[in-house]
Amino acid sequence: AQSVTQLDSQVPVFEEAPVELRCNYSSSVSVYLFWYVQYPNQGLQLLLKYLSGSTLVKGINGFEAEFNKSQTSFHLRKPSVHISDTAEYFCAVSDRGGSEKLVFGKGTKLTVNP
Amino acid sequence: NAGVMQNPRHLVRRRGQEARLRCSPMKGHSHVYWYRQLPEEGLKFMVYLQKENIIDESGMPKERFSAEFPKEGPSILRIQQVVRGDSAAYFCASSPRRQLNEKLFFGSGTQLSVL
Repeated sequence: AQSVTQLDSQVPVFEEAPVELRCNYSSSVSVYLFWYVQYPNQGLQLLLKYLSGSTLVKGINGFEAEFNKSQTSFHLRKPSVHISDTAEYFCAVSDRGGSEKLVFGKGTKLTVNP
Repeated sequence: NAGVMQNPRHLVRRRGQEARLRCSPMKGHSHVYWYRQLPEEGLKFMVYLQKENIIDESGMPKERFSAEFPKEGPSILRIQQVVRGDSAAYFCASSPRRQLNEKLFFGSGTQLSVL
């Protein structure tokens, strides 16, 4: 079974500042890793995913994440945030064995202030 | 191309009533997944369906909850005799095929409130 821990429930930052949203996972098998974003009153959208290959993954809207197997982490970063990045961000994992289930963290609410 | 459509967006029920949540997948998608998000929690998998088949219902509560995805029409998540603890956001997602989750598209959810 897998589990996901998002260490910060809320992250307030100022516009144009860098941000890192932390995600750690636990699994007895190899996993795929995902970050989803949920804007107010909308469904979840895929930001980026790690399936294999390079551990640095680039996604939409200038976000990137790095897979660190030894630390079982998949932290999300953006060098300069915009007001429009205000949203809830969810880290998720699924096992490589073909399970269709995504296991989500509790989410991190990112608030970008002017 | 319309996305995953869920309705209603908000549903209010009294304890003991039935709740029916609908999900129309994206055009061409035959795989549907239901997730539930309780307050202050992440999304939790409930059930995975293909047309006319339940593939994995390991996340569904054993009683009062059922799901279907008929040959024609939307997928339905049905909750009988609702209780306050059923209050949550219910999300539906769809994909064109069964693998990798990368093609998973989510709807905007139905917020169920049980009075």
